[in-house]
Amino acid sequence: GAGVSQSPRYKVAKRGQDVALRCDPISGHVSLFWYQQALGQGPEFLTYFQNEAQLDKSGLPSDRFFAERPEGSVSTLKIQRTQQEDSAVYLCASSSTGLSSYNSPLHFGNGTRLTVT
Amino acid sequence: AQSVTQLGSHVSVSEGALVLLRCNYSSSVPPYLFWYVQYPNQGLQLLLKYTTGATLVKGINGFEAEFKKSETSFHLTKPSAHMSDAAEYFCAVSDRVFGNEKLTFGTGTRLTIIP
Repeated sequence: GAGVSQSPRYKVAKRGQDVALRCDPISGHVSLFWYQQALGQGPEFLTYFQNEAQLDKSGLPSDRFFAERPEGSVSTLKIQRTQQEDSAVYLCASSSTGLSSYNSPLHFGNGTRLTVT
Repeated sequence: AQSVTQLGSHVSVSEGALVLLRCNYSSSVPPYLFWYVQYPNQGLQLLLKYTTGATLVKGINGFEAEFKKSETSFHLTKPSAHMSDAAEYFCAVSDRVFGNEKLTFGTGTRLTIIP
């Protein structure tokens, strides 16, 4: 596609529900990142994939958060038993090359705004 | 650990005036530094980045930033503000040791342009 696509655009969940957020990166992009952006804050790193391999998940806040990219393209961020503190915008980003390449810029999607009530 | 501090969560300038958004970083290794812009309800767009070489970096939309190691700063400037510059701006640092664009962002500066 023309850019990184995220769905749904908005998600309202009741506390305790499970949610799944989808990211379609730009076709052929090797690297994929998930960031969490709380209201009034900058994005915070959650996890990083190179193709289907999850190389860094150090930013996932708890074991309720799980991300996958089974075929090296589409990625899903799953949050189990959502809590109010999970309310944030979840941003996905992709780039065309892998590690150690700063010549390939990150392309961000418009995000999914999750509200937990 | 690396971190970024953006001084001023809100900055207002008149149309045509100089834009100056401040960013100071902390990093244990020579950093890669970035400025991103975010328009309402949109993702982030890269304005410019410093990796190596020339310390004055030019980006899109007339913005530029200067890497000053002695001051651990990477301030963003634009000589003449335009109404379309109104947005949220984020400074970010990446630890080149890891070699990927795992970015640590500042808390952002909201830029308002006064007609």
